[in-house]
Amino acid sequence: AQTVTQSQPEMSVQEAETVTLSCTYDTSESNYYLFWYKQPPSRQMILVIRQEAYKQQNATENRFSVNFQKAAKSFSLKISDSQLGDTAMYFCAFMKQNNNDMRFGAGTRLTVKP
Amino acid sequence: NAGVTQTPKFQVLKTGQSMTLQCAQDMNHNSMYWYRQDPGMGLRLIYYSASEGTTDKGEVPNGYNVSRLNKREFSLRLESAAPSQTSVYFCASKGLAGDTQYFGPGTRLTVL
Repeated sequence: AQTVTQSQPEMSVQEAETVTLSCTYDTSESNYYLFWYKQPPSRQMILVIRQEAYKQQNATENRFSVNFQKAAKSFSLKISDSQLGDTAMYFCAFMKQNNNDMRFGAGTRLTVKP
Repeated sequence: NAGVTQTPKFQVLKTGQSMTLQCAQDMNHNSMYWYRQDPGMGLRLIYYSASEGTTDKGEVPNGYNVSRLNKREFSLRLESAAPSQTSVYFCASKGLAGDTQYFGPGTRLTVL
């Protein structure tokens, strides 16, 4: 079974600075997808960024980018120019290609301080 | 477009009571999912429906049943609620060609 590990239960960053959230996963599959979801206090799960494992290029969405290291099974999220609205729980998730079973990490609580 | 909607938003049950959580999506998605989220843990898949008329167990199906009523609606039923089922429940959906799941706002369920 696939497992997803987020080793940082809590992190904080000053507004306008950069922070990196870590995620590692364990799988024997070669084709899969990786995701970062944000869950603000409203509880809504919001997709931040996604990465296909077959793509070597790291995904980027505005201030959010990933460092995908397939051999190391690592998928970290970098948030640049942190904003107060980035305060939330962040979940890393893994899903095999053509599969419906998405596995989540335990989450990292990020606080952006003014 | 409302996306994925869930009712109710909050519910308190007594042990042994039954209830159904409702989920609907208006994105014409084929696949729908039910997850639970417990403190200190990520979301865990309870059941999913890859297409209308099919349902399959996920990681934690015990104590739950589901119904894919039509393409839009996917309900989760607790026949005899237990305190261990106190959790936040999320419904999600995914399109046929896509890999991204879109989530509803969640239902906070407390079983006393």
